[in-house]
Amino acid sequence: DADVTQTPRNRITKTGKRIMLECSQTKGHDRMYWYRQDPGLGLRLIYYSFDVKDINKGEISDGYSVSRQAQAKFSLSLESAIPNQTALYFCATSGKTGVEEKLFFGSGTQLSVL
Amino acid sequence: QKEVEQNSGPLSVPEGAIASLNCTYSDRGSQSFFWYRQYSGKSPELIMFIYSNGDKEDGRFTAQLNKASQYVSLLIRDSQPSDSATYLCAVTGGSYIPTFGRGTSLIVHP
Repeated sequence: DADVTQTPRNRITKTGKRIMLECSQTKGHDRMYWYRQDPGLGLRLIYYSFDVKDINKGEISDGYSVSRQAQAKFSLSLESAIPNQTALYFCATSGKTGVEEKLFFGSGTQLSVL
Repeated sequence: QKEVEQNSGPLSVPEGAIASLNCTYSDRGSQSFFWYRQYSGKSPELIMFIYSNGDKEDGRFTAQLNKASQYVSLLIRDSQPSDSATYLCAVTGGSYIPTFGRGTSLIVHP
């Protein structure tokens, strides 16, 4: 089983719809992240959480919200999807210091907003 | 705004050659430096981590860090077609938040 599991793997939705992307992990990490990836733009941070009671905005949080339901679960919501939110979304986890700061990624969710 | 810069490429090298990938960063307080490899349609995976000045070698891969010049590089020796991928440089500072460059596309041709 994967250490970081994202669902769904692919999603097509319409403008204005609310959707939720889910992430769960078995790494036992406190730190979890949501990134989006667009062609030629690398990975950009949407939200991150360092523990269950800690939620922080990343560089591109507008139009998104998150919920940290438990140490192992971190979901991303698009309240009213728009076409420019079409992208590949990754959830990731990490430890706290040194090499443990390396990110473990889920398989990604390809989201298309029509 | 903390920035991490990479040449987008593509960098094309022949099989067996050395591929050199470069990354510069703006935050002088950066502490940890990572290289991830990402195959098309897949998630990134860590290939190298470095935090002190100098070279760090792991098999065919060598990471080089120069904090004075705010520069980190990745050398791939004896490049293989299977090394063809996008290589992402990531940097963390005092906030422990990883910031990624846009990635360099590497093509190793037979």
